[in-house]
Amino acid sequence: AQTVTQSQPEMSVQEAETVTLSCTYDTSESDYYLFWYKQPPSRQMILVIRQEAYKQQNATENRFSVNFQKAAKSFSLKISDSQLGDAAMYFCAYRSAFNNNDMRFGAGTRLTVKP
Amino acid sequence: DSGVTQTPKHLITATGQRVTLRCSPRSGDLSVYWYQQSLDQGLQFLIHYYNGEERAKGNILERFSAQQFPDLHSELNLSSLELGDSALYFCASSVGLGQGSGANVLTFGAGSRLTVL
Repeated sequence: AQTVTQSQPEMSVQEAETVTLSCTYDTSESDYYLFWYKQPPSRQMILVIRQEAYKQQNATENRFSVNFQKAAKSFSLKISDSQLGDAAMYFCAYRSAFNNNDMRFGAGTRLTVKP
Repeated sequence: DSGVTQTPKHLITATGQRVTLRCSPRSGDLSVYWYQQSLDQGLQFLIHYYNGEERAKGNILERFSAQQFPDLHSELNLSSLELGDSALYFCASSVGLGQGSGANVLTFGAGSRLTVL
């Protein structure tokens, strides 16, 4: 079974600075998708960014970008120009391209943004 | 509004009781996934239904069961409740299944918060 590991339970960043959240995963599949979800205090799960494993180019969404290293099975999220509204739990997720497309989540990283 | 509707939003009950959580997926989505999130923890995958058929089971207790109805809404039944079952239960929906469908995002509902006293 696929596993997703987020080794940083908590991270802190100064407003306007850059922070990187780490994620590694374990899989024997060749095709899959990786996601970062954000969960603010409202508890709503919000998609931040998505990466297809067959694409070498790292995904970017405005201030959010990823560093996808397929051989190392690493998928980190970089948040640039951090804003107070970025404070939340961030979950890395793996989704199989085959079969049931089940999505598995890491334990999460709590990001604090300091003004 | 994500388009995924979960009811009730909050539920308080006693140990030993049984509750039913309901989920209406986003229009056009055939897959429904249930997740459990205990306090300050990650999301644990419980079960996945596609077009009325159970497709995969995760860490779902035998006291828990689910089904997806012909109109595609889903219900998660939790019985013989214990204090440790207190959690936020998320439903998520998605389009399609199999090759190529993994790119589709899961759209989450707002969750049902269950408190067992």
